[in-house]
Amino acid sequence: AQSVTQLDSHVSVSEGTPVLLRCNYSSSYSPSLFWYVQHPNKGLQLLLKYTSAATLVKGINGFEAEFKKSETSFHLTKPSAHMSDAAEYFCVVPPGGGYSSASKIIFGSGTRLSIRP
Amino acid sequence: ETGVTQTPRHLVMGMTNKKSLKCEQHLGHNAMYWYKQSAKKPLELMFVYSLEERVENNSVPSRFSPECPNSSHLFLHLHTLQPEDSALYLCASSQGSSLMNTEAFFGQGTRLTVV
Repeated sequence: AQSVTQLDSHVSVSEGTPVLLRCNYSSSYSPSLFWYVQHPNKGLQLLLKYTSAATLVKGINGFEAEFKKSETSFHLTKPSAHMSDAAEYFCVVPPGGGYSSASKIIFGSGTRLSIRP
Repeated sequence: ETGVTQTPRHLVMGMTNKKSLKCEQHLGHNAMYWYKQSAKKPLELMFVYSLEERVENNSVPSRFSPECPNSSHLFLHLHTLQPEDSALYLCASSQGSSLMNTEAFFGQGTRLTVV
């Protein structure tokens, strides 16, 4: 069975400091992994995705994530936080393929990122 | 703007009312989804339509009734809802329903309040 765990429900950083949002996955094979961002009162937007190509993935707005199979992790990072980064972030494990597997897409519980001025 | 439009953005309804949520996409996608997002709970997949056929129904109460008249439109008909149904309802679409390597595009959601 696949699962995803976001280790922090809330992260608060100062503007200009690094951001680290943690995600660990459990899967019997090497999965694809996504990060989505949801700004207040908005829908979810894809931030970046890993699909078994390069293990370091760059996304929009200066975010990147590194797939580490040995640690079963896919943590999201950004070198310098901006006020506009305040949002909810979701780590997602898509299903393992197959026509009817869409229901198996797994969303993490989310991490709310706050930015202090 | 993701290409997925949901209306209305906000809805307040009484428990005896009947209302419908609408979702529209012109991205050429062939799969559409309804998700429920409640405070402090993970996103819950409600329904999946692929090629206008419902392929997933995750034990959703019958007071929620989806309809997919064509590949561009998805509705969620609501009747006799309960206060615990208050949530943000998100529509999404993708090309293919497996989502293995495919991004899902989400609408901005309908904030539903049941009074």
